[in-house]
Amino acid sequence: GAGVSQSPRYKVAKRGQDVALRCDPISGHVSLFWYQQALGQGPEFLTYFQNEAQLDKSGLPSDRFFAERPEGSVSTLKIQRTQQEDSAVYLCASSFSDRPQHFGDGTRLSIL
Amino acid sequence: GQQVMQIPQYQHVQEGEDFTTYCNSSTTLSNIQWYKQRPGGHPVFLIQLVKSGEVKKQKRLTFQFGEAKKNSSLHITATQTTDVGTYFCAGRRAAGNKLTFGGGTRVLVKP
Repeated sequence: GAGVSQSPRYKVAKRGQDVALRCDPISGHVSLFWYQQALGQGPEFLTYFQNEAQLDKSGLPSDRFFAERPEGSVSTLKIQRTQQEDSAVYLCASSFSDRPQHFGDGTRLSIL
Repeated sequence: GQQVMQIPQYQHVQEGEDFTTYCNSSTTLSNIQWYKQRPGGHPVFLIQLVKSGEVKKQKRLTFQFGEAKKNSSLHITATQTTDVGTYFCAGRRAAGNKLTFGGGTRVLVKP
């Protein structure tokens, strides 16, 4: 596709449930980033992939958060045993090497 | 860790007026990028500054990178209603591809 695609756009889950968020980057973009954006805040870095290698996961808030990109294309961000503070918009971005990042529309996650 | 601060947090501007938003990093940056996010939308890349003291213009928008590569500014002239949104700066350090975003400046334009 022409841009970064994220699914689902909206996700509502009960506290304690596991969720999986998908990101389909722009074709050919080797770099993929996940961000968490709380209401009224700037995006906070979570993790970064170069192809299938996860080079930086320093922003993941806890071991409940896990990201993968097994074939160097589509990526999944998984959150286990969700808590209310996990409610946020999760943004995925991709880029070609160190070029500017292109963002998807995000997944708005609400934990009840 | 690295911190990026933006001021002001909110900017209410009369249509036609000019304003400036500022970005300050706690550490020296290899480059700085600016993004615009419309309400309900996602961040959209505007520009990247790399050199110390660099100035770039995009129509009514002027971007500047400080001499010490720790601060940046965005100046908008003759503000229009289409300028409404949140402007984020994002800094990259020399090592790695990680971007650290500021908290953004939310711009509201009064017609």
